[in-house]
Amino acid sequence: AQKITQTQPGMFVQEKEAVTLDCTYDTSDPSYGLFWYKQPSSGEMIFLIYQGSYDQQNATEGRYSLNFQKARKSANLVISASQLGDSAMYFCAMREGQGDYKLSFGAGTTVTVRA
Amino acid sequence: DTGVSQNPRHKITKRGQNVTFRCDPISEHNRLYWYRQTLGQGPEFLTYFQNEAQLEKSRLLSDRFSAERPKGSFSTLEIQRTEQGDSAMYLCASSPRAGRTHTQYFGPGTRLTVL
Repeated sequence: AQKITQTQPGMFVQEKEAVTLDCTYDTSDPSYGLFWYKQPSSGEMIFLIYQGSYDQQNATEGRYSLNFQKARKSANLVISASQLGDSAMYFCAMREGQGDYKLSFGAGTTVTVRA
Repeated sequence: DTGVSQNPRHKITKRGQNVTFRCDPISEHNRLYWYRQTLGQGPEFLTYFQNEAQLEKSRLLSDRFSAERPKGSFSTLEIQRTEQGDSAMYLCASSPRAGRTHTQYFGPGTRLTVL
Protein backbone atom coordinates (compact mmCIF):
# COMPACT_ATOMS: atom_id res chain seq x y z
CA ALA A 1 0.00 0.00 0.00
CA GLN A 2 1.12 3.53 -0.71
CA LYS A 3 2.36 5.25 2.41
CA ILE A 4 2.13 8.77 1.03
CA THR A 5 -0.53 9.91 -1.43
CA GLN A 6 -0.42 13.19 -3.30
CA THR A 7 -3.48 13.37 -5.52
CA GLN A 8 -2.74 16.63 -7.34
CA PRO A 9 -0.25 16.06 -10.16
CA GLY A 10 -0.15 19.74 -11.08
CA MET A 11 -1.47 23.09 -9.89
CA PHE A 12 -1.49 26.65 -11.12
CA VAL A 13 -1.55 29.59 -8.74
CA GLN A 14 -1.54 33.32 -9.27
CA GLU A 15 1.38 35.27 -7.86
CA LYS A 16 0.71 36.57 -4.31
CA GLU A 17 -2.10 34.09 -3.72
CA ALA A 18 -2.02 31.13 -1.36
CA VAL A 19 -1.98 27.52 -2.50
CA THR A 20 -2.68 24.29 -0.61
CA LEU A 21 -1.00 21.02 -1.57
CA ASP A 22 -2.67 17.85 -0.38
CA CYS A 23 -0.94 14.95 1.31
CA THR A 24 -2.43 11.93 3.02
CA TYR A 25 -0.42 9.24 4.72
CA ASP A 26 -0.84 5.71 5.96
CA THR A 27 0.89 4.31 9.02
CA SER A 28 0.01 2.28 12.08
CA ASP A 29 3.00 3.52 14.05
CA PRO A 30 2.07 6.15 16.68
CA SER A 31 5.46 7.84 16.25
CA TYR A 32 6.13 9.35 12.85
CA GLY A 33 7.25 12.52 11.17
CA LEU A 34 6.00 14.31 8.09
CA PHE A 35 8.11 16.44 5.79
CA TRP A 36 7.66 18.63 2.77
CA TYR A 37 10.44 19.15 0.26
CA LYS A 38 10.68 21.42 -2.77
CA GLN A 39 12.48 20.27 -5.91
CA PRO A 40 13.10 22.97 -8.51
CA SER A 41 14.10 22.08 -12.05
CA SER A 42 17.75 22.06 -10.95
CA GLY A 43 17.02 18.82 -9.09
CA GLU A 44 18.08 19.56 -5.53
CA MET A 45 15.57 18.59 -2.81
CA ILE A 46 15.10 21.53 -0.46
CA PHE A 47 13.69 20.90 3.02
CA LEU A 48 10.70 23.13 3.78
CA ILE A 49 8.91 22.01 6.93
CA TYR A 50 8.57 19.18 9.46
CA GLN A 51 5.69 17.99 11.66
CA GLY A 52 6.11 15.35 14.34
CA SER A 53 3.16 13.11 15.18
CA TYR A 54 3.19 14.24 18.81
CA ASP A 55 3.50 17.94 18.04
CA GLN A 56 0.49 19.80 19.38
CA GLN A 57 0.79 22.80 17.10
CA ASN A 58 0.83 22.93 13.33
CA ALA A 59 4.33 23.63 12.04
CA THR A 60 5.14 26.94 10.36
CA GLU A 61 8.30 28.09 8.58
CA GLY A 62 8.03 31.55 7.07
CA ARG A 63 5.51 31.40 4.21
CA TYR A 64 5.05 27.66 4.67
CA SER A 65 2.60 26.11 7.09
CA LEU A 66 1.52 22.54 7.56
CA ASN A 67 -2.16 21.81 8.17
CA PHE A 68 -1.85 18.63 10.26
CA GLN A 69 -5.09 16.71 10.75
CA LYS A 70 -4.07 13.57 12.60
CA ALA A 71 -7.45 11.84 12.65
CA ARG A 72 -7.76 12.26 8.90
CA LYS A 73 -4.10 11.36 8.35
CA SER A 74 -3.51 14.42 6.29
CA ALA A 75 -0.61 16.86 6.25
CA ASN A 76 -1.37 19.55 3.70
CA LEU A 77 1.19 22.23 2.87
CA VAL A 78 0.02 25.81 2.58
CA ILE A 79 2.22 28.29 0.74
CA SER A 80 1.11 31.85 1.35
CA ALA A 81 1.83 34.85 -0.87
CA SER A 82 3.14 32.72 -3.77
CA GLN A 83 6.19 33.96 -5.63
CA LEU A 84 7.45 33.07 -9.10
CA GLY A 85 10.35 31.26 -7.47
CA ASP A 86 7.91 28.87 -5.82
CA SER A 87 7.37 27.14 -9.16
CA ALA A 88 8.71 23.64 -8.55
CA MET A 89 7.81 20.06 -7.69
CA TYR A 90 6.72 19.54 -4.08
CA PHE A 91 7.04 16.23 -2.27
CA CYS A 92 5.43 15.04 0.92
CA ALA A 93 7.43 12.44 2.85
CA MET A 94 7.11 10.40 6.03
CA ARG A 95 9.43 8.78 8.55
CA GLU A 96 7.93 6.00 10.67
CA GLY A 97 9.00 4.84 14.09
CA GLN A 98 11.46 6.22 16.61
CA GLY A 99 14.52 4.42 15.36
CA ASP A 100 13.74 4.44 11.67
CA TYR A 101 15.08 7.28 9.61
CA LYS A 102 14.36 6.44 5.99
CA LEU A 103 11.80 8.57 4.21
CA SER A 104 8.91 7.40 2.06
CA PHE A 105 7.96 9.96 -0.56
CA GLY A 106 4.79 10.69 -2.47
CA ALA A 107 4.69 11.14 -6.23
CA GLY A 108 4.82 14.91 -5.94
CA THR A 109 2.78 17.90 -7.07
CA THR A 110 4.02 20.37 -9.66
CA VAL A 111 3.24 23.98 -8.80
CA THR A 112 3.37 26.69 -11.43
CA VAL A 113 3.09 30.28 -10.26
CA ARG A 114 1.69 32.71 -12.83
CA ALA A 115 2.57 36.40 -12.89
CA ASP B 1 28.20 25.64 6.55
CA THR B 2 28.45 23.98 3.16
CA GLY B 3 25.70 21.67 2.01
CA VAL B 4 25.80 18.09 0.83
CA SER B 5 27.91 17.72 -2.30
CA GLN B 6 27.77 14.97 -4.88
CA ASN B 7 30.12 14.09 -7.70
CA PRO B 8 29.85 13.75 -10.56
CA ARG B 9 26.68 15.71 -11.28
CA HIS B 10 26.11 13.83 -14.50
CA LYS B 11 27.34 10.47 -15.73
CA ILE B 12 26.73 8.84 -19.08
CA THR B 13 27.87 5.26 -19.43
CA LYS B 14 27.37 2.26 -21.63
CA ARG B 15 25.45 -0.76 -20.50
CA GLY B 16 27.67 -3.21 -18.68
CA GLN B 17 30.12 -0.63 -17.34
CA ASN B 18 30.71 0.06 -13.67
CA VAL B 19 30.10 3.51 -12.19
CA THR B 20 30.88 5.05 -8.82
CA PHE B 21 29.33 8.12 -7.25
CA ARG B 22 30.58 10.09 -4.30
CA CYS B 23 28.69 11.96 -1.61
CA ASP B 24 30.17 14.36 0.93
CA PRO B 25 27.68 15.05 3.73
CA ILE B 26 27.38 18.20 5.76
CA SER B 27 30.23 18.33 8.26
CA GLU B 28 29.44 16.57 11.57
CA HIS B 29 26.31 14.89 10.21
CA ASN B 30 26.45 11.30 11.36
CA ARG B 31 23.72 9.81 9.19
CA LEU B 32 23.95 9.51 5.44
CA TYR B 33 21.30 8.25 3.03
CA TRP B 34 21.11 7.24 -0.61
CA TYR B 35 17.92 7.50 -2.67
CA ARG B 36 17.08 6.89 -6.30
CA GLN B 37 14.62 9.02 -8.24
CA THR B 38 13.26 8.12 -11.65
CA LEU B 39 11.55 10.61 -13.89
CA GLY B 40 8.21 11.83 -12.59
CA GLN B 41 8.47 9.93 -9.32
CA GLY B 42 9.42 10.68 -5.75
CA PRO B 43 12.75 9.44 -4.40
CA GLU B 44 13.00 5.84 -3.25
CA PHE B 45 15.17 4.84 -0.33
CA LEU B 46 18.21 2.69 -1.11
CA THR B 47 20.38 2.55 2.01
CA TYR B 48 21.59 4.51 5.00
CA PHE B 49 24.63 4.74 7.26
CA GLN B 50 25.08 5.84 10.82
CA ASN B 51 28.71 6.82 11.02
CA GLU B 52 30.51 4.03 9.12
CA ALA B 53 27.88 1.34 9.77
CA GLN B 54 25.41 0.51 7.02
CA LEU B 55 22.22 0.01 9.00
CA GLU B 56 19.59 -0.63 6.38
CA LYS B 57 19.41 -1.64 2.74
CA SER B 58 16.33 -1.58 0.55
CA ARG B 59 15.32 -4.55 -1.57
CA LEU B 60 15.85 -2.13 -4.47
CA LEU B 61 19.57 -2.42 -3.80
CA SER B 62 20.41 -5.46 -5.90
CA ASP B 63 23.69 -7.37 -5.74
CA ARG B 64 25.07 -5.03 -8.39
CA PHE B 65 24.84 -2.10 -6.00
CA SER B 66 27.22 -1.51 -3.14
CA ALA B 67 27.66 1.45 -0.84
CA GLU B 68 30.40 2.30 1.59
CA ARG B 69 31.22 4.94 4.15
CA PRO B 70 34.62 3.80 5.32
CA LYS B 71 35.55 6.52 7.79
CA GLY B 72 32.12 7.80 8.63
CA SER B 73 32.55 10.86 6.43
CA PHE B 74 32.05 10.65 2.65
CA SER B 75 30.23 7.76 1.01
CA THR B 76 30.45 6.02 -2.35
CA LEU B 77 27.75 4.20 -4.27
CA GLU B 78 28.95 1.77 -6.92
CA ILE B 79 26.82 0.14 -9.58
CA GLN B 80 28.38 -2.81 -11.36
CA ARG B 81 27.38 -4.01 -14.81
CA THR B 82 24.98 -1.12 -15.34
CA GLU B 83 21.64 -1.72 -17.04
CA GLN B 84 19.38 0.76 -18.81
CA GLY B 85 16.95 0.48 -15.92
CA ASP B 86 19.58 2.01 -13.65
CA SER B 87 19.15 5.35 -15.40
CA ALA B 88 17.93 7.71 -12.70
CA MET B 89 18.91 10.54 -10.40
CA TYR B 90 20.87 9.29 -7.37
CA LEU B 91 20.37 11.52 -4.38
CA CYS B 92 22.40 11.63 -1.21
CA ALA B 93 21.22 13.19 2.05
CA SER B 94 22.60 13.63 5.54
CA SER B 95 21.12 14.40 8.93
CA PRO B 96 22.68 15.78 12.11
CA ARG B 97 23.37 14.03 15.41
CA ALA B 98 21.82 16.91 17.39
CA GLY B 99 19.02 19.37 16.84
CA ARG B 100 16.90 18.47 13.85
CA THR B 101 18.06 14.87 13.85
CA HIS B 102 15.18 13.61 11.73
CA THR B 103 15.58 16.18 8.99
CA GLN B 104 17.49 15.06 5.91
CA TYR B 105 19.37 17.60 3.85
CA PHE B 106 19.85 16.59 0.25
CA GLY B 107 22.63 17.12 -2.23
CA PRO B 108 22.14 18.14 -5.88
CA GLY B 109 22.15 14.53 -7.08
CA THR B 110 24.03 12.56 -9.73
CA ARG B 111 22.08 11.97 -12.91
CA LEU B 112 23.01 8.63 -14.46
CA THR B 113 22.22 7.78 -18.06
CA VAL B 114 22.92 4.25 -19.22
CA LEU B 115 23.03 3.87 -23.01
